[in-house]
Amino acid sequence: DSGVTQTPKHLITATGQRVTLRCSPRSGDLSVYWYQQSLDQGLQFLIQYYNGEERAKGNILERFSAQQFPDLHSELNLSSLELGDSALYFCASSGESQFFGPGTRLTVL
Amino acid sequence: GQNIDQPTEMTATEGAIVQINCTYQTSGFNGLFWYQQHAGEAPTFLSYNVLDGLEEKGRFSSFLSRSKGYSYLLLKELQMKDSASYLCAVSNFGNEKLTFGTGTRLTIIP
Repeated sequence: DSGVTQTPKHLITATGQRVTLRCSPRSGDLSVYWYQQSLDQGLQFLIQYYNGEERAKGNILERFSAQQFPDLHSELNLSSLELGDSALYFCASSGESQFFGPGTRLTVL
Repeated sequence: GQNIDQPTEMTATEGAIVQINCTYQTSGFNGLFWYQQHAGEAPTFLSYNVLDGLEEKGRFSSFLSRSKGYSYLLLKELQMKDSASYLCAVSNFGNEKLTFGTGTRLTIIP
């Protein structure tokens, strides 16, 4: 158990819909990172927040957005969903290294 | 940009030793990480190298040569549960995000 929590574990939705993924970092960690992992693809960095502020951005689509709240939990919002958005979405928080949450498996039908 | 290469697949025998190589090209190198990932599960941290040399942790060791842009993960006394993907990742100065290779799928056979 990494100490990073993510909900929901699974999410099935239809194209065009909007979903919100939630992440709580390990106690004491200020940074949250979001990654996308599609089938047979490596982990792709989406975005990082540090203590409520956006710190770094990867190849995150304009349809995707994120925020980090004062209690340090983070939400990743995915809108106008397409079939290709089906993937595992991980968040991680960092101390000496990045520790990953269990992930949310998103299926877009 | 950054480029990280690792073999796509490897097979090894239970009880043996296997070495998984990773080469990288990046600017502002700040460290190299190895993660283990079982199918459908979260990556699990294995090791971190920032200086040249070998870091040993139980059955797993990781080596780094910064001048050659090269690392390897060495797994000894292989067990069936070691069948997983092994991900090499690089971090850079001024940016804490990790850039991952596509991973090496290791299959352990009896």
